[in-house]
Amino acid sequence: DQQVKQNSPSLSVQEGRISILNCDYTNSMFDYFLWYKKYPAEGPTFLISISSIKDKNEDGRFTVFLNKSAKHLSLHIVPSQPGDSAVYFCAASGRGGGATNKLIFGTGTLLAVQP
Amino acid sequence: GAGVSQSPSNKVTEKGKDVELRCDPISGHTALYWYRQSLGQGLEFLIYFQGNSAPDKSGLPSDRFSAERTGGSVSTLTIQRTQQEDSAVYLCASSLDAGGKFFGPGTRLTVL
Repeated sequence: DQQVKQNSPSLSVQEGRISILNCDYTNSMFDYFLWYKKYPAEGPTFLISISSIKDKNEDGRFTVFLNKSAKHLSLHIVPSQPGDSAVYFCAASGRGGGATNKLIFGTGTLLAVQP
Repeated sequence: GAGVSQSPSNKVTEKGKDVELRCDPISGHTALYWYRQSLGQGLEFLIYFQGNSAPDKSGLPSDRFSAERTGGSVSTLTIQRTQQEDSAVYLCASSLDAGGKFFGPGTRLTVL
């Protein structure tokens, strides 16, 4: 049972344009959501997070939007840069544990930013 | 370095053999996690250590898998009688009580 779903295995975007990566979840107990970025042969690196008490969190070129009623979150990268090309994982945790609880990850979306 | 380190980086073993994977978390991080990523799959939670509390082992796929964390620092994930379906990248992560998780580079396990 996949509790966190990333339905797009890959996404290709032109440099300078916006990249939108989507994530859906099924467990209403999730209250903390994160995005991780992973380059080949490296571990995932934390990118941005959002608590369920918010609907938007912004950090530079990266913005995460949360729609609790739809159980959907998205990561916007604008403007996209070739160095953003990586696999992006959406993750969720629940029961008030915030970042310390175990995370449930999606299957990832491979973003390719074309120069 | 100051990050999470894992060893070995690659491990090739024969079916039926036991393997041990090591994780050195960031100094001072109280929480330690093991995940694995099989080919074409997302990261699958295996086990979680938090301070002196009993570990959350709910993600371990079978009783062939076990992990320990000695002295609240280094952790070892042991897989007994390895099977081909155990082939994956095994990732370790650590965090402070209220911080994000920092992942190591992973150990790529191949079971022939």
